[in-house]
Amino acid sequence: DTEVTQTPKHLVMGMTNKKSLKCEQHMGHRAMYWYKQKAKKPPELMFVYSYEKLSINESVPSRFSPECPNSSLLNLHLHALQPEDSALYLCASSTGLAGSPLHFGNGTRLTVT
Amino acid sequence: DAKTTQPNSMESNEEEPVHLPCNHSTISGTDYIHWYRQLPSQGPEYVIHGLTSNVNNRMASLAIAEDRKSSTLILHRATLRDAAVYYCILRNLIQGAQKLVFGQGTRLTINP
Repeated sequence: DTEVTQTPKHLVMGMTNKKSLKCEQHMGHRAMYWYKQKAKKPPELMFVYSYEKLSINESVPSRFSPECPNSSLLNLHLHALQPEDSALYLCASSTGLAGSPLHFGNGTRLTVT
Repeated sequence: DAKTTQPNSMESNEEEPVHLPCNHSTISGTDYIHWYRQLPSQGPEYVIHGLTSNVNNRMASLAIAEDRKSSTLILHRATLRDAAVYYCILRNLIQGAQKLVFGQGTRLTINP
């Protein structure tokens, strides 16, 4: 079990659907992250939130829209995705202090049909 | 982003020590060296990190070269549960948030 909870665990959506991925942590962490991982590849950083403000966007297409409603929650809103966006989406959190480790959830496996 | 180089795969036997190398010749003075591992169907798991000195914890040891251009993760007595992809990552601080960029990692196989 991890201290970072992601829901749902699996999601299948059509290219015209709108869906959201959710991530929650109660460790008091102030930095939260979204990563995307394709099969047999390393995770790729998408977004970083620091103190509920978006601080890093790794040139992610606008069909992915992150939101951090409070320090414990992180959402990723999905709209008009493509089949190539199918992947494991990982959420992570850290204290935000220099060098502090990231705590990852087990991800949402997304399939776009 | 400073990059790391790791062997694609390594193999070891159960109950033997494993030394996983990582090269990071472009490391900057404020980069921390982090190691994570990822078991099948799970998110990455933090293993250990360090800045300049060698570090030990209950999972592993981290040996850092004096010039910091390389490091080695040491699993003292491998078990079958240690079979995973191990990532060596440089952690730098940008804009108040911290960027952690994964390289290709080393796939570790443990033979019974």
